[in-house]
Amino acid sequence: DAGVIQSPRHEVTEMGQEVTLRCKPISGHNSLFWYRQTMMRGLELLIYFNNNVPIDDSGMPEDRFSAKMPNASFSTLKIQPSEPRDSAVYFCASSLGTGGGYEQYFGPGTRLTVT
Amino acid sequence: GENVEQHPSTLSVQEGDSAVIKCTYSDSASNYFPWYKQELGKRPQLIIDIRSNVGEKKDQRIAVTLNKTAKHFSLHITETQPEDSAVYFCAASINDYKLSFGAGTTVTVRA
Repeated sequence: DAGVIQSPRHEVTEMGQEVTLRCKPISGHNSLFWYRQTMMRGLELLIYFNNNVPIDDSGMPEDRFSAKMPNASFSTLKIQPSEPRDSAVYFCASSLGTGGGYEQYFGPGTRLTVT
Repeated sequence: GENVEQHPSTLSVQEGDSAVIKCTYSDSASNYFPWYKQELGKRPQLIIDIRSNVGEKKDQRIAVTLNKTAKHFSLHITETQPEDSAVYFCAASINDYKLSFGAGTTVTVRA
């Protein structure tokens, strides 16, 4: 298996532009997570899907952020409009299920820079 | 919500020595405690985890201990090697999916 796939790996955009990050979870995994990593705030969970349904979006910073999971093999995280403070590494992770002991496998991340 | 504190923030050890990282958590309901290793520019990867019904778990050179009463858990790396140099994150979970991460410990193993 190729693991969790994310695209693009790097994104540089100007403030105000729309940004869409993409994720393909590991086949057979039914839980998907979007994280943001910054030096100041560390690793933060943004949203969690289980069986394509958003279960917990309490970490989504504001209405500019939205996430979808139209099917079991694809998810997007969209920022519209983007701001410089959104600059971070965004990780997608998937797991076989919920519950302790279900390892979360992280993708390689998307490094977003908003100028 | 759950608050996880991690110490130290940086740790430098001589190759072959042991490294210990400590974490405390705030919510006594937390029941799952994974540790992730993140090499520079790479993704976090699970290295070991422990559940609240277990006090200690070992996997080759790494071990984790959990003290539920004191609400703290620790990662122990023995016989450190240069490839152990990385950032290590502890995490705690109440509801089995939402991981609250510590701020990370940058470990440097000196040859």
